[in-house]
Amino acid sequence: DAGVIQSPRHEVTEMGQEVTLRCKPISGHDYLFWYRQTMMRGLELLIYFNNNVPIDDSGMPEDRFSAKMPNASFSTLKIQPSEPRDSAVYFCASRVNTEAFFGQGTRLTVV
Amino acid sequence: SQQGEEDPQALSIQEGENATMNCSYKTSINNLQWYRQNSGRGLVHLILIRSNEREKHSGRLRVTLDTSKKSSSLLITASRAADTASYFCATDAWAAGNKLTFGGGTRVLVKP
Repeated sequence: DAGVIQSPRHEVTEMGQEVTLRCKPISGHDYLFWYRQTMMRGLELLIYFNNNVPIDDSGMPEDRFSAKMPNASFSTLKIQPSEPRDSAVYFCASRVNTEAFFGQGTRLTVV
Repeated sequence: SQQGEEDPQALSIQEGENATMNCSYKTSINNLQWYRQNSGRGLVHLILIRSNEREKHSGRLRVTLDTSKKSSSLLITASRAADTASYFCATDAWAAGNKLTFGGGTRVLVKP
């Protein structure tokens, strides 16, 4: 398996634009997590899914953030409209049982 | 607030020395995991210790867990320059819906 795949690796966008981050989890994994990492706030859990169903989205900072998991092999995290304070590295991770496997992250810069 | 908090935030040691970092958490857990992150990369799982275990070893890694104090420690023995990375603890609790919550991490610099 190729591991958790995230795209794009880097995204630079202007304030106010819509941004969509994508994640393909490892096949057979039933949990999918979206994290955001910044120097100031560390690694924050935004939302996670179990069997494609959102379980806890209490970490989503604002209504500008939304996430979907239409099937077991794909998830998106959308920010609309984007703001400079959304600049961060966004990680997707999947797991079955205990260990989580992380993607390489998407570095988002909003200017 | 984060479930796990690491201490120290940063650690600088010479190659060959041991590195010890601690993690404290707030609520009951089923297991505690340690992850490593190299600069610009995703996190990689290192070791897991279950709530009914007190100590676990994997290669040069030694993890302890004290559930009465809600704390864990990670020891890296005979450190190498390649161990330079950030290390995170993560708590896992069924009562919390099996979500994995990470601490702030310890940045370790191993000088050759």
